[in-house]
Amino acid sequence: GENVEQHPSTLSVQEGDSAVIKCTYSDSASNYFPWYKQELGKRPQLIIDIRSNVGEKKDQRIAVTLNKTAKHFSLHITETQPEDSAVYFCAASTPYGQNFVFGPGTRLSVLP
Amino acid sequence: DAGVTQSPTHLIKTRGQQVTLRCSPKSGHDTVSWYQQALGQGPQFIFQYYEEEERQRGNFPDRFSGHQFPNYSSELNVNALLLGDSALYLCASSLDTGDYNSPLHFGNGTRLTVT
Repeated sequence: GENVEQHPSTLSVQEGDSAVIKCTYSDSASNYFPWYKQELGKRPQLIIDIRSNVGEKKDQRIAVTLNKTAKHFSLHITETQPEDSAVYFCAASTPYGQNFVFGPGTRLSVLP
Repeated sequence: DAGVTQSPTHLIKTRGQQVTLRCSPKSGHDTVSWYQQALGQGPQFIFQYYEEEERQRGNFPDRFSGHQFPNYSSELNVNALLLGDSALYLCASSLDTGDYNSPLHFGNGTRLTVT
């Protein structure tokens, strides 16, 4: 079955710097890759997603890139702000049904 | 427009007991998935319900069972609770589009503690 790895597990950046989180997946049939942000004690919230027919997608300070050949995708956050501090999860769709395998998460800390 | 709602928010049970968690999906959604999130880990897929039937199941024992009602709401039941069942249980709803994945919308979760 699908397996998703995520790196780094923790990331600290200075406010205003960029942050990059990388994920790899194992099942080449996966075709949809969402990213979720989970603040402490709150629900995971979708921040951006990308489908396999697109190589890059951007939404203001957040962008995601996908390399289908290498089976990896990355989240890029520019001009980080303290409110970006949270745990970020990548996920990959499974071939059957609307099910997802999540990565273990990256705890991002934006230092003022 | 109400999002995904879950109840209760917190629950404390004793090992061996049974528990039922409830979820109402986001308005317009017809698919409900349940995930278990242990502390410091990503959500793990338990099962998914669509058209009142279990459509997919993750690697969880039969002690975990569920149900979906005609109004799309869902229940997760766990029998013979173990200490290792302590976790945040997340319900997520989505709309079945038939030909491509749609994003999951999560509820706030139920924090289950087994003592």
